[in-house]
Amino acid sequence: SQQGEEDPQALSIQEGENATMNCSYKTSINNLQWYRQNSGRGLVHLILIRSNEREKHSGRLRVTLDTSKKSSSLLITASRAADTASYFCATATQGGSEKLVFGKGTKLTVNP
Amino acid sequence: GAGVSQSPSNKVTEKGKDVELRCDPISGHTALYWYRQSLGQGLEFLIYFQGNSAPDKSGLPSDRFSAERTGGSVSTLTIQRTQQEDSAVYLCASSLGRHQETQYFGPGTRLLVL
Repeated sequence: SQQGEEDPQALSIQEGENATMNCSYKTSINNLQWYRQNSGRGLVHLILIRSNEREKHSGRLRVTLDTSKKSSSLLITASRAADTASYFCATATQGGSEKLVFGKGTKLTVNP
Repeated sequence: GAGVSQSPSNKVTEKGKDVELRCDPISGHTALYWYRQSLGQGLEFLIYFQGNSAPDKSGLPSDRFSAERTGGSVSTLTIQRTQQEDSAVYLCASSLGRHQETQYFGPGTRLLVL
């Protein structure tokens, strides 16, 4: 079953602009992870944020987590054409098994 | 070091045939996961291994699907009597086995059932 829901479903921006993607989920979580997928193949792990964290940075990526609203956002600053990909959030449910529950993803296009 | 590898990259089969998909996890990773990504359903969990045992196989869609892992390393996902709705990308991931931590994904096997 899908828990995370990304918003928007698709986003098109110009190189150099910032891209913001949002994720909402339904149950209590231990952590939330963001992944990138190029051309419908393997997923690349971007960042993991734990339920007791509010914000995390990694290079041009900034992730926030609001457990009261059950939502997270991924900000990519100064985007590049190479950032074009689909981005997924995935949650690890509190008291749950080891599986990740993925949202449907946001397809980001960065135009040169 | 080497990442997760999967084979074959692509597989075309006829309806009713059996297929085997292989996953080689990152060396030293005790946990291994299979997911399926199809157009209508997004990314779905299939099964999780810790060592050679599968504590969670709740995502396997039918008894036509089975998986095994031997030697705590390579895993094989078998689909018997394939159906057209089995067409999808099958993704394998591995992790160090600590609770709910980062999973590292392979490139996937794209399965097309004609």
